[in-house]
Amino acid sequence: EIVLTQSPATLSLSPGERATLSCRASQSVSSYLAWYQQKPGQAPRLLIYDASNRATGIPARFSGSGSGTDFTLTISSLEPEDFAVYYCQQRSNWPPGITFGPGTKVDIK
Amino acid sequence: QVQLQESGPGLVKPSETLSLTCTVSGGSISSYYWSWIRQPPGKGLEWIGYIYYSGSTNYNPSLKSRVTISVDTSKNQFSLKLSSVTAADTAVYYCGRLVGATTIDYWGQGTLVTVSS
Repeated sequence: EIVLTQSPATLSLSPGERATLSCRASQSVSSYLAWYQQKPGQAPRLLIYDASNRATGIPARFSGSGSGTDFTLTISSLEPEDFAVYYCQQRSNWPPGITFGPGTKVDIK
Repeated sequence: QVQLQESGPGLVKPSETLSLTCTVSGGSISSYYWSWIRQPPGKGLEWIGYIYYSGSTNYNPSLKSRVTISVDTSKNQFSLKLSSVTAADTAVYYCGRLVGATTIDYWGQGTLVTVSS
């Protein structure tokens, strides 16, 4: 089973600052990596798919990069609505399945 | 706009079977994978399994012995059954559309299921 590790667990930043979130896989997942944002009491929302493609309606301040085992989600300038928990998620071919990382909470400094 | 809505009992007794249904509207259930994910209170996301519209399934190995996911294309619905539940199965259960068995692009709002006597 592929394990995803996210760092840091918590990121304390101010609006306008740049956020850099990391996701590392225990073995290569190629580019099958997605990022989701979740706010309290809400379902997760897809931000990035296939490591670097923004989902429909996602602002350009969100960007994803990486391949293989190391991935990054960058928020170029934090808006008040961006303070939330962010999860990465991979799909593996063998064993076939999906796993999520433990999440990174971005909170207001 | 595709919308998903979970439905089912919010309270299940220990050792019984949890049953949920996800109704898809605004699009056809055909030609996609459909998934169940859960989130215990205050914790992270756990993938439960997915089903293709044709009926083929794939389950989380840690839950495989207790999970059954089925699809009813005539009703545009898919369902989850989780047997022999314990308090550890208390969670918000989400259904979602899985694109290419890779990415969940649409999510239901989630439904809290509590396991308690």
